[in-house]
Amino acid sequence: SQELEQSPQSLIVQEGKNLTINCTSSKTLYGLYWYKQKYGEGLIFLMMLQKGGEEKSHEKITAKLDEKKQQSSLHITASQPSHAGIYLCGARAYSGAGSYQLTFGKGTKLSVIP
Amino acid sequence: DAGVIQSPRHEVTEMGQEVTLRCKPISGHNSLFWYRQTMMRGLELLIYFNNNVPIDDSGMPEDRFSAKMPNASFSTLKIQPSEPRDSAVYFCASSPGTGGAGRSPLHFGNGTRLTVT
Repeated sequence: SQELEQSPQSLIVQEGKNLTINCTSSKTLYGLYWYKQKYGEGLIFLMMLQKGGEEKSHEKITAKLDEKKQQSSLHITASQPSHAGIYLCGARAYSGAGSYQLTFGKGTKLSVIP
Repeated sequence: DAGVIQSPRHEVTEMGQEVTLRCKPISGHNSLFWYRQTMMRGLELLIYFNNNVPIDDSGMPEDRFSAKMPNASFSTLKIQPSEPRDSAVYFCASSPGTGGAGRSPLHFGNGTRLTVT
């Protein structure tokens, strides 16, 4: 089964600082998804990456998938308190019969200090 | 647009009782997923349905867990009898298209926080 390692497990940054969260797999990633979760709420979809070397941005958040498609990073520029939450990466894993499922890393808890 | 709707938001029950969690997927989505989230194990896939048919239930932990999808707009996850180790947040998610996760992102509900005492 596909296992995703996220690092760091938790992160505390001062407002305005940049930060990076990593997601690593031992297997090739056929689709990499980034989600954000606030306490007591569901997961909010941020971005999806599929091609090696792909990079996507939304507001101050940029996600990249490396050329080998085994590692992704999520970079936040000039962090704000609204960025606080848990960030999870998810990857498509083949589950047989032509079907793929999403498995997730354990998440990175981000706190932003005003 | 209504998202994925789960009920109840919180459930507190005693060990041995039956628990039923409910989910209404986004209209038009063909795939529905049940996940469980705990601090120790993170987010785990329990079961998923394509066009109301269970496709993969290998993540269902024990026979005490069962899931149904009687129609395209409703699914239930039942635990009978419940045990303290079942305490977790249970999420329902849906996505358009079949083939499981496919290439479309999953849309999650806000979850049901289950506490079994």
